[in-house]
Amino acid sequence: KAGVTQTPRYLIKTRGQQVTLSCSPISGHRSVSWYQQTPGQGLQFLFEYFSETQRNKGNFPGRFSGRQFSNSRSEMNVSTLELGDSALYLCASSFLPQETQYFGPGTRLLVL
Amino acid sequence: ELKVEQNPLFLSMQEGKNYTIYCNYSTTSDRLYWYRQDPGKSLESLFVLLSNGAVKQEGRLMASLDTKARLSTLHITAAVHDLSATYFCAVDVGNTPLVFGKGTRLSVIA
Repeated sequence: KAGVTQTPRYLIKTRGQQVTLSCSPISGHRSVSWYQQTPGQGLQFLFEYFSETQRNKGNFPGRFSGRQFSNSRSEMNVSTLELGDSALYLCASSFLPQETQYFGPGTRLLVL
Repeated sequence: ELKVEQNPLFLSMQEGKNYTIYCNYSTTSDRLYWYRQDPGKSLESLFVLLSNGAVKQEGRLMASLDTKARLSTLHITAAVHDLSATYFCAVDVGNTPLVFGKGTRLSVIA
């Protein structure tokens, strides 16, 4: 069974630009969560989606948004990038919410 | 607000020695997870602990849960270099998002 895939794997952007990250969950998984990982703040929760509905949202500014499609694939978007948005963005999927989450390889975003 | 604290945050172990990583959390939990992360890589699920007294073992790693003390431990037996990684505990409470500890960076040296 294929794991969680994320694209792109690496991304370099400049301040003020926007970026869209994509996540394809494990086949059959309908719950997708996004996390931001930085050395200073650790792993911080961004969003959780289940059956195209956002169940939870973390404490991030409105520049961070996401969505889930009918095939359970998910995207997150960050507008007006800031230097502090440089991080590893991890996507995780599970069959249902509150089950073990399986993480993708992450997208490493560098904002210059 | 749920708080999850791990200690130690950094651990340097000699090969062959035993050690324990602690994970304390602040509110009643539905389940507790342990993950491993290798440098530059993603998180790998190790264990999920569902009830008080639960114990799971895989190779040289053993995890346990004491819900009354709000404490989980990850015990490492006879450490080997391949266990060098960062270990995270994460706590699940109701319909709220998973909350991760800051991680314990383990380095096993010869």
